[in-house]
Amino acid sequence: EVQLVESGGGLVQPGGSLRLSCAASGFTFSSYWMHWVRQAPGKGLVWVSRINSDGSSTNNADSVKGQFTISRDNAKNTLYLQMNSLRAEDTAVYYCARDSGLGYIDYWGQGTLVTVSS
Amino acid sequence: DIQMTQSPSSLSASVGDRVTITCRASQSISSYLNWFQQKPGKAPKVLIYGASSLQSGVPSRFSGSGSGTDFTLTISSLQPEDFATYYCQQSYSSLLTFGGGTKVEIK
Repeated sequence: EVQLVESGGGLVQPGGSLRLSCAASGFTFSSYWMHWVRQAPGKGLVWVSRINSDGSSTNNADSVKGQFTISRDNAKNTLYLQMNSLRAEDTAVYYCARDSGLGYIDYWGQGTLVTVSS
Repeated sequence: DIQMTQSPSSLSASVGDRVTITCRASQSISSYLNWFQQKPGKAPKVLIYGASSLQSGVPSRFSGSGSGTDFTLTISSLQPEDFATYYCQQSYSSLLTFGGGTKVEIK
């Protein structure tokens, strides 16, 4: 069974940093591209970042370019999102998600809440 | 970035109704269009990929159509478990984008 379990969310002050993790199991993690998607409270889904299977290529939404960095450790079956210079508008549930290999997301984690507030 | 516009943003319907949701891309995306369903407090779930392919395990009352810039998600006979928010998403560009969502509520 495919499982994606996010961790690392919490309350952080404006300007602070946070690193999210996503532990993957139930599939060959090193074979799949992975994504981060976020959802502000009461709002819609926003794609954040994508990384290819070996970590050599990434794409980021314009809204987080230079601020967020996606990475992965295939030996640990773990996906990461390093978030710096956090602002109130970064407050959201952050979902880790797997790319099917056909260009669409087929599995999602349960999400981890990041709250940016003083 | 490719902008995705969904309409309507919300609708009220009854069990058994046929429901249609529209998604328009700001430029041609061929058939790189996916549909997701999200219930409150839950992660999204893929329904349709590649504009018209039904994801395994998804009921056949869901269908998708379209190509280029205009796409449609149809629920042929709305069931109680279908009351949720629906999102389209393009995967044509390396920068993926979602539509704003359509909330389907009980009439």
